[in-house]
Amino acid sequence: SAVISQKPSRDICQRGTSLTIQCQVDSQVTMMFWYRQQPGQSLTLIATANQGSEATYESGFVIDKFPISRPNLTFSTLTVSNLSPEDSSIYLCSVDVSPYEQYFGPGTRLTVT
Amino acid sequence: ELKVEQNPLFLSMQEGKNYTIYCNYSTTSDRLYWYRQDPGKSLESLFVLLSNGAVKQEGRLMASLDTKARLSTLHITAAVHDLSATYFCAVDKYGGATNKLIFGTGTLLAVQP
Repeated sequence: SAVISQKPSRDICQRGTSLTIQCQVDSQVTMMFWYRQQPGQSLTLIATANQGSEATYESGFVIDKFPISRPNLTFSTLTVSNLSPEDSSIYLCSVDVSPYEQYFGPGTRLTVT
Repeated sequence: ELKVEQNPLFLSMQEGKNYTIYCNYSTTSDRLYWYRQDPGKSLESLFVLLSNGAVKQEGRLMASLDTKARLSTLHITAAVHDLSATYFCAVDKYGGATNKLIFGTGTLLAVQP
């Protein structure tokens, strides 16, 4: 397994500002993933972050809105830019511990006012 | 586009009863995941099913996979209140070991005393 931490755990942000979410893992992992869970909804994959390369975004998500960094094998950040109320969600990072197992961080609850 | 559907979306059941949650997906995939999410919490990995006919059991939960029917089931035996949570199934988006998961709609399980 892996121990994953996220900061902040929650935040309330003003419209038009940005929030950067940090994800730290206690072991080196190849791939890290960012998901969004809108209120009362399921999870949607935003992007995949590999160390040393540009993040790969899923359909409907763009780098200008969700820039991602992956400076090393234990850390990644997701920035949600130009916030609007529709961005209010829980953002979760996850890692693949093995080819068959994926573990999720505790999530960051974002509220945009 | 890969779709993952669960039913029912909401399940209210009495303690001691049995029930099954169904997960259908629209394209081939050689693995299927089940997760549990408690209110305000992150996702807990329950099962990873890796082949047709795979069956895994943990306590009162048993999961199975039929890749030909593109169907997985999560069977609950003699439910207890502690099982109350939202259950998600998920499928690898590209059918293989990418760990880019597409999640089902979720099933909110409420076990009544």
